[in-house]
Order: sequence, then structure tokens, then C-alpha cells
Amino acid sequence: GAGVSQSPSNKVTEKGKDVELRCDPISGHTALYWYRQSLGQGLEFLIYFQGNSAPDKSGLPSDRFSAERTGGSVSTLTIQRTQQEDSAVYLCASSARQGETDTQYFGPGTRLTVL
Amino acid sequence: AQSVTQLGSHVSVSEGALVLLRCNYSSSVPPYLFWYVQYPNQGLQLLLKYTSAATLVKGINGFEAEFKKSETSFHLTKPSAHMSDAAEYFCAVSPGGYNKLIFGAGTRLAVHP
Repeated sequence: GAGVSQSPSNKVTEKGKDVELRCDPISGHTALYWYRQSLGQGLEFLIYFQGNSAPDKSGLPSDRFSAERTGGSVSTLTIQRTQQEDSAVYLCASSARQGETDTQYFGPGTRLTVL
Repeated sequence: AQSVTQLGSHVSVSEGALVLLRCNYSSSVPPYLFWYVQYPNQGLQLLLKYTSAATLVKGINGFEAEFKKSETSFHLTKPSAHMSDAAEYFCAVSPGGYNKLIFGAGTRLAVHP
């Protein structure tokens, strides 16, 4: 079946612009996660959605970052007023349930470059 | 707080040699541990996971890992390396009661003929 998909695969933007990154989870998966992979910080958790519960936003690095999940499926990560330090690969993952041992399936990522 | 340490950012082995990638964790509660592999320009793929059912966990592509509580370790091994094993490997812990993964810094494995 189809895996997690993300778009765009690459995004180049100018400092100060807003960007939106999209994630389509595996159909039927109730949990969705965003991570960031950068040279300096490695792989970092950003935010987690589970069904209709309030998201866990504890990993968002600043208030310029926000995310939403519409209809329990597609998610959009928005970065406002981008900075050069936002350059990274943004990875989305989904899992079938919210169990702490459930396998998270990752998408290919969106590579964001802020000039 | 939970954390993961991967010893060795780069490991190089010969084709056919033993692969050993080290992972130590810190956790105040029984941890759930994972190994993921990332091939160039791809997302992460689960190799195996420890969920307390058995201390020796077998995964895909001939990899296995052993959970050793006394050593707080979860090292990844493969008896015989293939060229196709060249990739970056990440160890991760799932803190008890939460779902987010905390990753180690990763180990890049190179396999040479």
C-alpha cells in the first residue's frame, strides 16, 4: 500500500518568507508526527497529533512554527518568517495507534533551504 | 529524561565482516528501543524494535540487537556486511507514556570491498 508522502520534496525560500509543508499519512493511521533533521541538531521531535486530542507541541522550537491536521488525515507544517537556521529536512511519520511501541512509518522528507 | 548515545559517528567495515553499531540509553523507566536505517535521500525505515517481549530482537535484512539492562545498551549487529548495508543508522528511545521518539546522533556505516 501507499506509504507516507510529503510535498514538496524540496523547497528553497528567502529569509523572512512563510512556507507550508504537507504530509499525507498512511490511510487509517491515527497518529501523525513531525520531526526535523539538521546537521547541527540531528533528528528532533517537533509535534504529535493523535485523533481529536490536543496535539503535543512540546518540540516546536519557536512560535514561528505551527501545524494543523485536517480531518484527522493530512497535516500541514507552517513556518512563518523563515530564518536560515530553519534549513533542514522535515520528516513526517504516522503510526496506526498511539501506543508507545507502535512503529512509526516515515515519509521521504521535505528539504527546506532558506537563503 | 531519556536520551540515547551512539558511539562512533562513522563506522567502516569490509564486505563480509561483522557489523557492530553501538547504542546506549538513559531512561528512568523501562524503555522501548528502536533501530532505524536511512538510505541516501530517503526517509527512515524501521529495522527492529525492543518492546520487552524478548531481549534478543531480530529485524529485517539480517540485523539483530540485544537489550542489556545492566549495561543500558541496545547494540545492533549483523554477522556479515553487504555493500547494500551502507547507510546511516539511528537508535531511538520512546519514553514511557509518550509516543515521540528521541534519536541518537546516528552512525554512518560504510562497507568497502
